[in-house]
Amino acid sequence: EAGVTQFPSHSVIEKGQTVTLRCDPISGHDNLYWYRRVMGKEIKFLLHFVKESKQDESGMPNNRFLAERTGGTYSTLKVQPAELEDSGVYFCASSQDRFSGQGRDTQYFGPGTRLTVL
Amino acid sequence: AQSVTQLGSHVSVSEGALVLLRCNYSSSVPPYLFWYVQYPNQGLQLLLKYTSAATLVKGINGFEAEFKKSETSFHLTKPSAHMSDAAEYFCAVRNAGNMLTFGGGTRLMVKP
Repeated sequence: EAGVTQFPSHSVIEKGQTVTLRCDPISGHDNLYWYRRVMGKEIKFLLHFVKESKQDESGMPNNRFLAERTGGTYSTLKVQPAELEDSGVYFCASSQDRFSGQGRDTQYFGPGTRLTVL
Repeated sequence: AQSVTQLGSHVSVSEGALVLLRCNYSSSVPPYLFWYVQYPNQGLQLLLKYTSAATLVKGINGFEAEFKKSETSFHLTKPSAHMSDAAEYFCAVRNAGNMLTFGGGTRLMVKP
C-alpha cells in the first residue's frame, strides 16, 4: 500500500511568488491534515479536511494560504504571495477514521515539502 | 488548551546505553498520546501511541513508553541504543478535534 506522498520535495521561490504544494493521501483515507514546521519551532497544525470539506482550519496563518481538496482525493496548499516567514517544512497526513480508536484514527505522515522563500 | 513539552532538544547516548526521551503534556481531557520518529530525509513515522488501554505501550524497534497520569508524562525509552536509532523524535497529544499538538522534538545522537 502506498503511503502519503507529497510534491515537490523541495521548493525555492522568491518573496512575492506563488507556490502550490500537493499531497496525495493513502487511498481510502477520508481525513487529510496539513501541518507546518518553521525552522527551530514545533510542528503546528494548519487544517483538517474530511473528504472535500474543511473540518478545521483554525491553524491557517492568514489569507495568503489557500487549501483545497478536490473530490475528496488529493489536496493542494497554495501560498500567494509567499513571504519570508513562510519558509519551513510542510507535512501532510491522512487517517482513515477519526473516531474508531481501532488504529484507523492513526495519522500517517508524508515526507514533507521543504519550502524556502528568499 | 493542550500542550506538550519535550525536555532536551538534543540527547546523546553511547551505543548500547539506555535511551530516555522525556515528554510532559497538559490536557483537560484524558489524552491520546503519540511518539513519532523522523529519520533523515524521511517523513514522520509512528513509533507508538497511548489510547487509555495499558499504561505501558510497546512500539516498533524496541521502544516503549509509559503513561503516568500523576506526573502528566509519557517518556520514551529503549534499553539499548543502536546506531540506527539516530533520528528526531516527536511527542504529540491529540485533541477532541483530532489535530495533533507536537512538542519541539528531541534529536537523538548515538555515539559508537
